[in-house]
Amino acid sequence: KAGVTQTPRYLIKTRGQQVTLSCSPISGHRSVSWYQQTPGQGLQFLFEYFSETQRNKGNFPGRFSGRQFSNSRSEMNVSTLELGDSALYLCASSFGARTEAFFGQGTRLTVV
Amino acid sequence: ELKVEQNPLFLSMQEGKNYTIYCNYSTTSDRLYWYRQDPGKSLESLFVLLSNGAVKQEGRLMASLDTKARLSTLHITAAVHDLSATYFCAVDTLQGAQKLVFGQGTRLTINP
Repeated sequence: KAGVTQTPRYLIKTRGQQVTLSCSPISGHRSVSWYQQTPGQGLQFLFEYFSETQRNKGNFPGRFSGRQFSNSRSEMNVSTLELGDSALYLCASSFGARTEAFFGQGTRLTVV
Repeated sequence: ELKVEQNPLFLSMQEGKNYTIYCNYSTTSDRLYWYRQDPGKSLESLFVLLSNGAVKQEGRLMASLDTKARLSTLHITAAVHDLSATYFCAVDTLQGAQKLVFGQGTRLTINP
């Protein structure tokens, strides 16, 4: 059974640019949630999508956005990158709310 | 707002010893997860605790949940070097969406 796939694994961007990260969930999972991990703030919830609808959003600025496609794949976008956006971005897939979440390998974003 | 606190945050121990990591959370929840993270890697699911009094064991690790005390413990028995990692607890927020609130993580180092 294939796990959660995130692409790309590593990314280096310049301040002011935008970036799109992709997440393919486990087959049959309809919920995809995104988390940001930094040494200072730890693991923080960004947002969750279920059946192409955003159900919950964390406390991040509007520069962070996402979407989900009909095949449950999800993308997150960060516009006008700042140095502080450098982090490991993890996506998790699950069947739905309150079910076990399985995490992808993450995308390590470095903003220079 | 749900807050999750782990202690200790850093733990250095010798092989063969026993120790416990504590996870306290601030509001009602009946669902708690433990994850392991190796440096630069993603989160690996260890335990899913779904009800008060739940106890799960896998090898040298045992996790328990007391929803009345809002406390979970991860007990390590006769530690071995391979268990060196960062351990996170995460609490389900009881909302209608998939959202986990994570503790700060406990960095466990096991010395020969």
